[in-house]
Amino acid sequence: DAGITQSPRHKVTETGTPVTLRCHQTENHRYMYWYRQDPGHGLRLIHYSYGVKDTDKGEVSDGYSVSRSKTEDFLLTLESATSSQTSVYFCAISEGPGQRGTEAFFGQGTRLTVV
Amino acid sequence: AQSVTQLGSHVSVSEGALVLLRCNYSSSVPPYLFWYVQYPNQGLQLLLKYTSAATLVKGINGFEAEFKKSETSFHLTKPSAHMSDAAEYFCAVSRNSGYSTLTFGKGTMLLVSP
Repeated sequence: DAGITQSPRHKVTETGTPVTLRCHQTENHRYMYWYRQDPGHGLRLIHYSYGVKDTDKGEVSDGYSVSRSKTEDFLLTLESATSSQTSVYFCAISEGPGQRGTEAFFGQGTRLTVV
Repeated sequence: AQSVTQLGSHVSVSEGALVLLRCNYSSSVPPYLFWYVQYPNQGLQLLLKYTSAATLVKGINGFEAEFKKSETSFHLTKPSAHMSDAAEYFCAVSRNSGYSTLTFGKGTMLLVSP
């Protein structure tokens, strides 16, 4: 298994509170991604990073921010959690650069419930 | 923009029967296509990928998929289902950007009965 650790694995939080999810990798891969998984929607890209301090938005980025200060860590922050952000969040990593079509390796996921 | 359509949110087969999970994609450029499997409460595991080499791609656990450009399809098959194949399967296409920013289908749950 790829060395990806997501923390926490489960979290329940209240509406309006800030929440930070952490993804830590030991593979020294350049690219990191945050996806959310919701029934009937598959997985959707939130944000991704192509290097330290280099990030970009994905399909469903509203209400989320990210930071990457070290190669191994990619943080996802919900500034003010809403019930619509109740979901399972997956971190993924991939090698690069220039390796088009290279596969992504996924973490075990974080189940976030906003009440 | 890219998109993936998986036909059938649930597919039921008997153990030993053929497995066929359908995936159609749209892409304005030659795509990179993937099938992932997700077991309950797990992350996603890559089954196989198409990256413009051979059109028939073999993956893990006896699965294979054929890229058909004329049909914009990448259907997943396995000749004989096993109980352990019961899981959710996702088809995905990558953006033509050099990254693995994947666009996923909505998933197909495979149910295998004895």
